[in-house]
Amino acid sequence: DTAVSQTPKYLVTQMGNDKSIKCEQNLGHDTMYWYKQDSKKFLKIMFSYNNKELIINETVPNRFSPKSPDKAHLNLHINSLELGDSAVYFCASSLHSRGGYTFGSGTRLTVV
Amino acid sequence: DAKTTQPNSMESNEEEPVHLPCNHSTISGTDYIHWYRQLPSQGPEYVIHGLTSNVNNRMASLAIAEDRKSSTLILHRATLRDAAVYYCILRDVQDTGNQFYFGTGTSLTVIP
Repeated sequence: DTAVSQTPKYLVTQMGNDKSIKCEQNLGHDTMYWYKQDSKKFLKIMFSYNNKELIINETVPNRFSPKSPDKAHLNLHINSLELGDSAVYFCASSLHSRGGYTFGSGTRLTVV
Repeated sequence: DAKTTQPNSMESNEEEPVHLPCNHSTISGTDYIHWYRQLPSQGPEYVIHGLTSNVNNRMASLAIAEDRKSSTLILHRATLRDAAVYYCILRDVQDTGNQFYFGTGTSLTVIP
């Protein structure tokens, strides 16, 4: 059973489009995160949600909007995609706000 | 979070032990030392973590210097599947955001 699953695995889209990436965890964790890994392989946190409430928003453009319908899901919606948004996006979860992470396998977004 | 310094890359022969160093000279008393690794085309995965005492688990051992200004991740017998980027991360136990700040890590190559 996949613990943290992201869909889609690959996403190719044109500049200016709006797209969403979905994330679900079946671990019963109450904190979820989105990370972005750029072409230089640097992993940077974008958002952190605890029990559906936003607790961290790290200097991310407001074109990025996370949505958490319940504590098992944290989706990432991106408006007006730009070339610089091309990266691998990882979803992660932790049991509580001080626990270790379980990561998903990533979504490779390519904006053309 | 206090910063860590790791070598950019290391090599090891298969079935030999590997010692991956990490310097964290500005560590505070409430910082835990976490290690994650990222295999190619996968999300990061938890390896081990500790505070002051050395730690062992099925994946690795963590040796922490007495002054806590450095630590070493020990893989007892490297296999080809251990080829990955290894991240040493400090996280303050008092931090309620639970965000992990990943550095550049050490890229481990295992030679058959």
